[in-house]
Parts: sequence; structure tokens; C-alpha cells
Amino acid sequence: DSGVTQTPKHLITATGQRVTLRCSPRSGDLSVYWYQQSLDQGLQFLIQYYNGEERAKGNILERFSAQQFPDLHSELNLSSLELGDSALYFCASSVGGGAAATEAFFGQGTRLTVV
Amino acid sequence: AQTVTQSQPEMSVQEAETVTLSCTYDTSESDYYLFWYKQPPSRQMILVIRQEAYKQQNATENRFSVNFQKAAKSFSLKISDSQLGDAAMYFCAYSHRNTGNQFYFGTGTSLTVIP
Repeated sequence: DSGVTQTPKHLITATGQRVTLRCSPRSGDLSVYWYQQSLDQGLQFLIQYYNGEERAKGNILERFSAQQFPDLHSELNLSSLELGDSALYFCASSVGGGAAATEAFFGQGTRLTVV
Repeated sequence: AQTVTQSQPEMSVQEAETVTLSCTYDTSESDYYLFWYKQPPSRQMILVIRQEAYKQQNATENRFSVNFQKAAKSFSLKISDSQLGDAAMYFCAYSHRNTGNQFYFGTGTSLTVIP
């Protein structure tokens, strides 16, 4: 158990809908990273938050957004869903937010299926 | 842009034998980190080993070791005394020193361990 909790584990929804994925980082970790794993695109970095502030953006679509709350949990919001958004969405957390000196711990992911 | 290439989609090894997984990367940076992550059927991403580019000594973690060739931009993973529990998808990843755990992942190598 990595200590990173993602809910829900599985999600099935229809095209055009909006969903929210939740991530609770390990206790004491200030950074949260979101990754998407799909058959087409592989594993891609989406976005990072550090202590409530957006730190970096990767290949995140405009239809997607995220935030990190004062208790450090994070939510990834996916809207106007398309079939191609079906993927495994991972959250990872680490103590630091800059240099890669601190290990990142991954959650078990949320499997999103868009039908 | 950084790219990470894993040219072996699938590999197999006999239990107790040694196997080497290949990874090459492309970057114009001089200070970065390289990682090998393991993704078993449980789908959780687990850090296997990490290498800091400024360190010439190859990293080792028990049965896992790397061969880091900075000039050739090569980063292979050697698994000694393979065990059934080593069966998984293995991903090579790169991150720049200043961007923390924002990884660029390869496409993965599926490792089968034959009893």
C-alpha cells in the first residue's frame, strides 16, 4: 500500500458527461501529480499541484481541470467526455515539489470507461 | 522535447535467470533523473530503481541494477535471479532535475517469468 488513495476505482460514464476523480496523498506529502495511461498515448503527465498551487502543466486538455484543496487532497475534473478519454488515471504524491530528490508514490488509479 | 524509448514490447525469462530490459532516451539537458517503474497486474506503479545523471556509479537495489551510459543515452535494467513476482510491465522514465516527478515514460516492456 503506497498510502495514496484514489476514488473511485472504476467509473463508467457516457459521452458528454462530466466526472470528478479524487486523490488523497500520503500524509505529509505536499505535491500531487496526475497522470493518464491510455493505449493510444501511453503514460502522460497531466498536471502538478504543490501545497494548493498549480506548479506545472503537461498534456492536459482544456476540458480537464484540477485543484488541490487546503487539506491537500486533489480532484481531477473531466468534462465533455469523449470515447478517447477512456483511460487509467493515476495520482502520485511526493513530499517535495521541485527537484526529483523525493520519491513519488502512486495510487492504484481510477479506471475511466466512456461509453 | 524529451523522449524515452523502450524497444522491447515483450520479454521473457526463466525463473532464477537474469534478464536485461533496454531503454534509451533523448534530452539536451545534462542534469536529470532516470527511473524504472514496475506495474504488476494490480496496476499500481512501483518504483524499482532510480539513477541520478550526475552520478557515474550505477544504481543497484538488491536483485535490480542498471547500466547507465550517459554519452549513449542508454539506461538498461538488469534483473538477477528472476522470481515469479517480477512478472509485470516495466516502464523506463525520465525527469529533469528541476521538475520533480514530472515523468516522461517509455511505452513499457511486458516481462514474463517462466517457472
